[in-house]
Amino acid sequence: DGGITQSPKYLFRKEGQNVTLSCEQNLNHDAMYWYRQDPGQGLRLIYYSQIVNDFQKGDIAEGYSVSREKKESFPLTVTSAQKNPTAFYLCASSIQGSAKNIQYFGAGTRLSVL
Amino acid sequence: GENVEQHPSTLSVQEGDSAVIKCTYSDSASNYFPWYKQELGKGPQLIIDIRSNVGEKKDQRIAVTLNKTAKHFSLHITETQPEDSAVYFCAASGGSYIPTFGRGTSLIVHP
Repeated sequence: DGGITQSPKYLFRKEGQNVTLSCEQNLNHDAMYWYRQDPGQGLRLIYYSQIVNDFQKGDIAEGYSVSREKKESFPLTVTSAQKNPTAFYLCASSIQGSAKNIQYFGAGTRLSVL
Repeated sequence: GENVEQHPSTLSVQEGDSAVIKCTYSDSASNYFPWYKQELGKGPQLIIDIRSNVGEKKDQRIAVTLNKTAKHFSLHITETQPEDSAVYFCAASGGSYIPTFGRGTSLIVHP
């Protein structure tokens, strides 16, 4: 069953804590993305990666970090520097170089601050 | 960079009515315009898309139109059903292939 798996579905962060959101895909896509979704704000790009061992900042990268050590995995760490982390986080993947760049999304992780 | 404006933010219709969601974009280099549907608690899913060399595309009850000159595109849903209730996002992408999304429209279809 091909797709993108995000875990956990719900995550709680304490003050000053770093937390890591998992994203795994078995679609053999080269490109992967992290978006943040807030009510009325749409989808804002945090980081993206077009190839293993390389990633680029998106529009709202401050307070976040990523790694891309394997093609199928693109974890996102929300650091203590992110002062307003409460949001719905979506991971996506796509075929690199495709003219359409169709995004395939996971089911999301909802992060809340305790 | 690209800027995508989407209206309305909320749309309430009766079952069987039509629904129209409109988006405008700023970058004339954008050439691909997808629409995504997000059901509650799930990730968005592509429902229809259009390339800049096409003015209209239909798929059963949904259609998308594109006006390149005016830089706007619209999603049309006919004969709406309660299962059409969701948040809909438009997006635009061009040379960078990274899509810019609109802020979303919450469509509510009343039975």
